[in-house]
Amino acid sequence: EAGVAQSPRYKIIEKRQSVAFWCNPISGHATLYWYQQILGQGPKLLIQFQNNGVVDDSQLPKDRFSAERLKGVDSTLKIQPAKLEDSAVYLCASRPSGRAVSDTQYFGPGTRLTVL
Amino acid sequence: RKEVEQDPGPFNVPEGATVAFNCTYSNSASQSFFWYRQDCRKEPKLLMSVYSSGNEDGRFTAQLNRASQYISLLIRDSKLSDSATYLCVVRNTGGFKTIFGAGTRLFVKA
Repeated sequence: EAGVAQSPRYKIIEKRQSVAFWCNPISGHATLYWYQQILGQGPKLLIQFQNNGVVDDSQLPKDRFSAERLKGVDSTLKIQPAKLEDSAVYLCASRPSGRAVSDTQYFGPGTRLTVL
Repeated sequence: RKEVEQDPGPFNVPEGATVAFNCTYSNSASQSFFWYRQDCRKEPKLLMSVYSSGNEDGRFTAQLNRASQYISLLIRDSKLSDSATYLCVVRNTGGFKTIFGAGTRLFVKA
């Protein structure tokens, strides 16, 4: 079974530029998450989708971050404009049914963003 | 107060040692609990789920105390390959919001 795919793996941009990350979850997984992980910290949930609807985006900085999940499959996370403090690894994860609270989350390899 | 708090690290132990990590959570409505392992510059991977009655997987034992709202992970006979960051994870009811702790770094030395 193919895992969660993310691209690009690395991105270096200057502050105030825009950047977009792409995630392809495991086939059939209803729930998709985007996390931000700053060095030395645990992953912080940015947004959670159930199919193509947003379940939780309470920690998403909506003035600069946006995310969408077209047709309930792939997802894109965008930052516009980027700030220095956005330097982090952006992890995408997916979960099978979205119904069983005990379902395992599977993570992609992440995109490492450096903002100069 | 953070929703999920873990022991501060790092833990430095010799091979063969037993080491225990604790984690506390603040939301009493939390329903599912997990331990994830994260190697340096890699994504988190599920180590084990934590069940109410406690569960064991080889050298790893997880315990849950709902009354005190804490979770523990015990590693017996530590191996060099156990060196990693261990993340405590709590999932709440409703929207199944999943919260990660900051992680505890473990170094196992020969």
